Amino acid sequence: AAGVIQSPRHLIKEKRETATLKCYPIPRHDTVYWYQQGPGQDPQFLISFYEKMQSDKGSIPDRFSAQQFSDYHSELNMSSLELGDSALYFCASSSGLAGGRNEQYFGPGTRLTVT
Amino acid sequence: ILNVEQSPQSLHVQEGDSTNFTCSFPSSNFYALHWYRWETAKSPEALFVMTLNGDEKKKGRISATLNTKEGYSYLYIKGSQPEDSATYLCAFWVGNYQLIWGAGTKLIIKP
Repeated sequence: AAGVIQSPRHLIKEKRETATLKCYPIPRHDTVYWYQQGPGQDPQFLISFYEKMQSDKGSIPDRFSAQQFSDYHSELNMSSLELGDSALYFCASSSGLAGGRNEQYFGPGTRLTVT
Repeated sequence: ILNVEQSPQSLHVQEGDSTNFTCSFPSSNFYALHWYRWETAKSPEALFVMTLNGDEKKKGRISATLNTKEGYSYLYIKGSQPEDSATYLCAFWVGNYQLIWGAGTKLIIKP
């Protein structure tokens, strides 16, 4: 069965550079979530999209932006990267029709290292 | 501030033993409670989504119960196997497409 695809899997950037992470949800899933997991930390919710509209926002820095496109894939854009942005970034998708009653399916994550 | 707490933080269990751990969440405005299993070097995998007070769900040797009135859920693992070693996360749905995650219970099965 098709799963959530994230690209790239690994990314190394320097401070103050820009990074773009991509997420391709499971077919027919209309909701995408982005999470950040720092070293030794639990996942922190960043932002979510339902039907191409931002549905909720968590602890996402102003330097980050995201959007969901017409094919439901999503991109997380990160500018002016800081060392503290080094983390594992997960994308998850679900069918948004039932709200919180549908489980989220997670991608493999993108490991971002800022040097 | 909404808080989801899991206990214990870590647990060592002998292979073959049964075990359980707890997730505590706000008891007001309940929508749903998710359980996920997260193995090292893999991404989280959904176990259960629980929505009704008194819900009991089962998947193989793993089961979960839900008490929304007092704000807790238990996850049970019967006859632990080495492959059960993982971090078990619960997450409370607060509406508007956001989950509040607990810090997880790290389960280590000793052969």
